[in-house]
Formats: sequence, C-alpha cells, structure tokens
Amino acid sequence: NAGVTQTPKFQVLKTGQSMTLQCAQDMNHEYMSWYRQDPGMGLRLIHYSVGAGITDQGEVPNGYNVSRSTTEDFPLRLLSAAPSQTSVYFCASSSGRTALGTGELFFGEGSRLTVL
Amino acid sequence: AQSVTQPDIHITVSEGASLELRCNYSYGATPYLFWYVQSPGQGLQLLLKYFSGDTLVQGIKGFEAEFKRSQSSFNLRKPSVHWSDAAEYFCVRPKLSFGAGTTVTVRA
Repeated sequence: NAGVTQTPKFQVLKTGQSMTLQCAQDMNHEYMSWYRQDPGMGLRLIHYSVGAGITDQGEVPNGYNVSRSTTEDFPLRLLSAAPSQTSVYFCASSSGRTALGTGELFFGEGSRLTVL
Repeated sequence: AQSVTQPDIHITVSEGASLELRCNYSYGATPYLFWYVQSPGQGLQLLLKYFSGDTLVQGIKGFEAEFKRSQSSFNLRKPSVHWSDAAEYFCVRPKLSFGAGTTVTVRA
C-alpha cells in the first residue's frame, strides 16, 4: 500500500532557485493538502484542494503555488525560494469533498527543504 | 477564528506512569477534534477522533480522549506509558488547524 508518496525527501536550494515538491496518492481521495512544519508552530496549512481543478489557499500560502490536474497528484511549487521557506513539508490526503476535516488525514513521510 | 491550543510544549513522564496532554479549543459550536502522533523521523498517524455522541473516545495504542464542552477541552490520556510513546502529539480541528504540539519524553 503506497498511500501518500512525497518526493524528494531532502533538498537543498539556494535563494532564488525554484523547485517542485511532488505528492501523489493512490487512495482516490478528493481532498489533498500541503503543510509546513516548523519548531514550536505545529503544522500550518499552505494550500489545499477538494478535487481536480480546484485549489484554495490555507494559512500560509505566500511564496507557494499549487495545481491539481488529476485526482492523484498535487505538486507544490516554490518559484523563488527564500531562507524563510526552510522547513519540513508534509502532503496529506483525505476522503470527502470538503475541507471540513471530518475524514482522517493520511500523511506522506515529509520533505525536508533547506534554503541557503 | 477556529483554533486549538496545546498549553504544554514538553512533558516528561516515567515509563509506566500515566500521561495526560491538554488541548483547548476556541469556537462555540461542537467541533470535530482529532489527536495525531508523530514519532521521531516519521509521518503523522491518527490516534483518535471526536465528532459527536459519547464524549469519551477510545483510540489506538491504548489512548483515550475526553471531550468536555464546559471546559472547551479535548485532553488525551494514557493510563500507563511505554517507551515507544515518546513522540510529538498534535491536537487538530477543522479546517485542520493544528495545535503547536506537545513533545513527550519517556524516561526509564
């Protein structure tokens, strides 16, 4: 059972570089989301999607773009990386079409990003 | 705004002792509430969830939580802690707002 797969697991970038964090799920979940985890701040929602073609901003969307062309994939793009984006990023998916959070979130293993 | 607060940043407990982690929520309506656990170097796993009904909720790994509307709380408990319970614990509610987390250290 693959569940939620994130790549890469580790990445080092220089300020101003761009990159894409990949997220794929094989559970046919409508809802997918991206979080960043920083010490003492828990997980903060960056962007989420309630289905293919539908995305919305979360709590900390600035500096990040997302798209949802298929049910399975939800990539997160950093167009011009900044040191403040150094963090651990988690992708998650859930059944259900809404972001009410009534379904269990299934998380990927995380991607550790360092921006120099 | 909807939010959850975990007042304890770090708790140290002896193996075999009981554990209680606090979670307070703001917002008047009956919330959906979850507890997740993140073991070192791993992703997050759902421990238990509360939607409605019985206010005492049983979860995996011997954990339980009690919803108390009068205190706006959803505290997580375990009667006897094992060394493998050392982890970070998050209280979560819609729209999937995470608390800052409580790190649990278990001493032998």
